[in-house]
Amino acid sequence: DVKVTQSSRYLVKRTGEKVFLECVQDMDHENMFWYRQDPGLGLRLIYFSYDVKMKEKGDIPEGYSVSREKKERFSLILESASTNQTSMYLCASSLLRGGTEAFFGQGTRLTVV
Amino acid sequence: AQKITQTQPGMFVQEKEAVTLDCTYDTSDPSYGLFWYKQPSSGEMIFLIYQGSYDQQNATEGRYSLNFQKARKSANLVISASQLGDSAMYFCAMREGYTNAGKSTFGDGTTLTVKP
Repeated sequence: DVKVTQSSRYLVKRTGEKVFLECVQDMDHENMFWYRQDPGLGLRLIYFSYDVKMKEKGDIPEGYSVSREKKERFSLILESASTNQTSMYLCASSLLRGGTEAFFGQGTRLTVV
Repeated sequence: AQKITQTQPGMFVQEKEAVTLDCTYDTSDPSYGLFWYKQPSSGEMIFLIYQGSYDQQNATEGRYSLNFQKARKSANLVISASQLGDSAMYFCAMREGYTNAGKSTFGDGTTLTVKP
């Protein structure tokens, strides 16, 4: 069974903290993605990576960075967490070309207080 | 302009009946793909069905079918014989060009509630 696993389901962090959200996939997919989900706004792409050590900005990269040192792992970093980054974060992976679907993790609900 | 529009924030359907969730899209790229995902309260996004812009026939997957009307830029999801487990949020999404499935634009979602 294919799997995308996010390290935490729920996180509570303080304003100004450095936060790491981890995602691991076991499907040998080239591409990995981080989305943010907010009510009424759907899913918005933060960053994606199509290869190890490669990264591309999505639609809302401000306040975030990413790291991909190994093919199976993609990390989202909040350098200095702020309350407006309270959200649901979804990691996904997919094939590089073609493919008919993306595979998502279970989501991390982050609260910044 | 929004690329994916889902005009129904919430929908109700009686168990065992069929329901249609609306989705319209906007793109000038002749090559694109359309997806529907289901998100139960547990949070995980589950892929349901895919339609390519060049596909001649409407996609079907079990109880799910996609009513693809290219000229109207419409890609409605039809769920037949609704079940209580179908209660969830449903997202329509689109990828443009030959970019991969994960880099998609999502609609705001429709919350479906199936009544017993």
